[in-house]
Amino acid sequence: AQSVSQHNHHVILSEAASLELGCNYSYGGTVNLFWYVQYPGQHLQLLLKYFSGDPLVKGIKGFEAEFIKSKFSFNLRKPSVQWSDTAEYFCAVTLKNTGFQKLVFGTGTRLLVSP
Amino acid sequence: DTEVTQTPKHLVMGMTNKKSLKCEQHMGHRAMYWYKQKAKKPPELMFVYSYEKLSINESVPSRFSPECPNSSLLNLHLHALQPEDSALYLCASSLWTGGNQPQHFGDGTRLSIL
Repeated sequence: AQSVSQHNHHVILSEAASLELGCNYSYGGTVNLFWYVQYPGQHLQLLLKYFSGDPLVKGIKGFEAEFIKSKFSFNLRKPSVQWSDTAEYFCAVTLKNTGFQKLVFGTGTRLLVSP
Repeated sequence: DTEVTQTPKHLVMGMTNKKSLKCEQHMGHRAMYWYKQKAKKPPELMFVYSYEKLSINESVPSRFSPECPNSSLLNLHLHALQPEDSALYLCASSLWTGGNQPQHFGDGTRLSIL
């Protein structure tokens, strides 16, 4: 079955540190990939998405992610985090060309950025 | 602010009550979704509506009854819920159900069953 793994459940960083959150999926076919963010008390928001083309995708708020097909990975990065990046981050995947394409979320990574 | 509006934000109900959750979007999206999110867990899909027709029911118990009266509204009718049904219920919408269509989420309704 299709699944999404996020290796880090909790990450604590100081402001200006670099961030990389891991995401791996288990499916051999073609996928659409997403990162969503949920700030405290707020709704899930789309950070970025990958469908095809350049595997390095840039999103909002200085985030980027790189799709590495051979590693089934879609890691999220930010060169310098801010206190306002404190949130929960979800990687999500849908399959292409398989009828209804269910959005499957990873377990999430809670990021705490200390000022 | 999200473009998907959910009401109420909080709901406390007894196991014998009947209540409804409401969701509204005016983005012209023709796909709407209900998710359930337990604390410290990812959202789990419950139902999908496509062009006002129920297309997916993820084996959800019948005490949850969805309804899509028109392309902008989505309801979730609740009856005889159990304490384990306490969770955050999220509504989402997308242009259509294609996998490359990002879903837009509401703030959710936090439901507590006494």
